[in-house]
This record gives sequence, structure tokens and C-alpha cells, in this order.
Amino acid sequence: QVQLVESGGDLVKPGGSLRLSCAASGFNFNDYYMSWIRQAPGKGLEWISYISSTGSTVYYADSVKGRFTISRDNAKNSLYLQMISLRAEDTAVYYCARTNSYGYVYYFDYWGQGTLVTVSS
Amino acid sequence: SSELTQDPAVSVALGQTVRITCQGDSLRTYYANWYQQKPGQAPLLVMYGKDNRPSGIPDRFSGSSSGDTASLTITGALAEDEADYYCSSRDTSSYLYSRDSSAYLVVFGGGTKLTVL
Repeated sequence: QVQLVESGGDLVKPGGSLRLSCAASGFNFNDYYMSWIRQAPGKGLEWISYISSTGSTVYYADSVKGRFTISRDNAKNSLYLQMISLRAEDTAVYYCARTNSYGYVYYFDYWGQGTLVTVSS
Repeated sequence: SSELTQDPAVSVALGQTVRITCQGDSLRTYYANWYQQKPGQAPLLVMYGKDNRPSGIPDRFSGSSSGDTASLTITGALAEDEADYYCSSRDTSSYLYSRDSSAYLVVFGGGTKLTVL
């Protein structure tokens, strides 16, 4: 069965850095786009980035562009999110999600359980 | 604008039918997808595209769209359907939308808290 397991969340000071990982299993990771989506405490969902199956194409939400970098290692069935210059407003649960498309719209058919990033001094 | 607007809260009596709506200009062109999220859990895809239910999603869930509004309908709501529901679709407000046809950016609605009475 499809499984996505995030790790790397932690308490970090403003301006600090963090790297999140997502280990995938149960499907052919090489065939799928992958995304990161976050949810601030008590708030809604926010898509922040996706990466193509080969890693050659990446896109970011404006809120994280220039600070976050998505990447993947298909040999290790792993997705990553490198975050720098973290701000208090980046505090959230970060989910990785398998990404599919239908009618020129991406959707997320499997999600991990999330990892909490807290940015606070 | 590519914002997606949802009612913050909706309630339904047990066994009755409820429609959760999502409004936005992008929905005139693109399908909405729907996610259910229960407290402390990750979101779960319950509808995608025109009216497609992932495997394991009960057929009491259905999707529809008209103009700038997409709807998720639950026919015969059960107590277990009490959750937050989020719509999502393509973000057409980004400058990339008009400049890069391969940029399938995603926007979520603010979510609807469904209470089953």
C-alpha cells in the first residue's frame, strides 16, 4: 500500500534552516510528481511546491519562493524540502503528497501524516 | 482572482443531504478537487475531476459544478462525515499562469467545517 512518511520537523529560530524528508513506498516513486503542502495551526491548507517525476521541473508558491527548495532522490524513493530564512509564519505541519493530474489540474491522492515545523525564538 | 471561497461552517442532520460549495473564477475553466480532514489526521482525497471518487470513498459523496461554483454533495450524511472539507483547483492568479503553460500551481479554499447533528 502507498505510504508516505515525513520527518525532519523541529523547533527552529527565526532565520534558521531545516530540511524535511519524505520516504515513499508502495508505488513506483519514479513515475509520480510529488508536492509539499502545509497547514498552519488551526488554519487551512496551503500548497507550497511540486516537483516533476524526474526532478527537472519545480514550482513554488510565492510565499516560499527563494527560501524553499524541493528536490528528490528517485534511487532512494525520497522527497525533500530544504527551508532557509525561516519565519514565524512558516510554522505549520508540512505534508508530502503524491501528485496526479486530471483536466490540467493537479490533485493529491495520497498524503503523509505530516511533520511539525515550529519557528520561534 | 484565483481565490476559492468556501462557507466556513455547514451543518446537516444525520441522514440528510448536504452540499458544500466552493466558488472561484478558476472554476469556470478547471475542475475542483475535494479533501476531507478529520481532527489530527492528514487530508483525504474524496473527489477529483468532474465527479471521480477514489477507491474506498463511499458513493454518498458526489461532485458537480456550475459556472464558477463547484459542489461536493453528501447524500445521507453519517456521523463519520463530520470533518473539515477543502476544495482545490488550479491557481490562475499567478503571473506564471499566463506565461508558463506547464505551471500547474494549486490553490486551496479556506475550508468548510461540516457538523452532523
